[in-house]
Amino acid sequence: QQQVKQSPQSLIVQKGGISIINCAYENTAFDYFPWYQQFPGKGPALLIAIRPDVSEKKEGRFTISFNKSAKQFSLHIMDSQPGDSATYFCAASIRSGGSRLTFGEGTQLTVNP
Amino acid sequence: DAGITQSPRHKVTETGTPVTLRCHQTENHRYMYWYRQDPGHGLRLIHYSYGVKDTDKGEVSDGYSVSRSKTEDFLLTLESATSSQTSVYFCAISEWGDYGYTFGSGTRLTVV
Repeated sequence: QQQVKQSPQSLIVQKGGISIINCAYENTAFDYFPWYQQFPGKGPALLIAIRPDVSEKKEGRFTISFNKSAKQFSLHIMDSQPGDSATYFCAASIRSGGSRLTFGEGTQLTVNP
Repeated sequence: DAGITQSPRHKVTETGTPVTLRCHQTENHRYMYWYRQDPGHGLRLIHYSYGVKDTDKGEVSDGYSVSRSKTEDFLLTLESATSSQTSVYFCAISEWGDYGYTFGSGTRLTVV
């Protein structure tokens, strides 16, 4: 069963626009929510992560918004650039017990110049 | 990716043959993981290890086994490969288990 649902599957944004990717989770025991970025032929790389005690975390142009009551979190990419074109995965884990990450299905982002 | 290498990078094998994929790390991290990546499914955990000779199953472990005899090596074995195991396999490492993973570059396995 998919415990983390991600949408949309694909997203096309113009350069300078805002990219928004959404995730919803079921397991209320999850307490760590990272986002990964993957370029073709490469492994995923950690982009930004949040814990449920905060509602927002910003790192440069990337922001995670977290809504604990709705069990949802989202990634916002401000001023999107063609170099941001990649596949993005949200994930969730329980920090105790080995922190096995459960991933969303992925979103393929294309930023047009 | 620095500190973690997967081998081979590509492999084509026939149905019914055994296949072993290797993950090697130089970071001395405690946790190691094997994931498979398939379109529409994201990354799904196959097996993971929390120490030498300590392993456990993930959500898609059927048909796979693992071994970890040394901290630096984590082997994934397909006992008898099937076409449904055609996928890209990623190894990941983590120090404390609750921070970001570092992923390898992946192994593209095709079972014909």
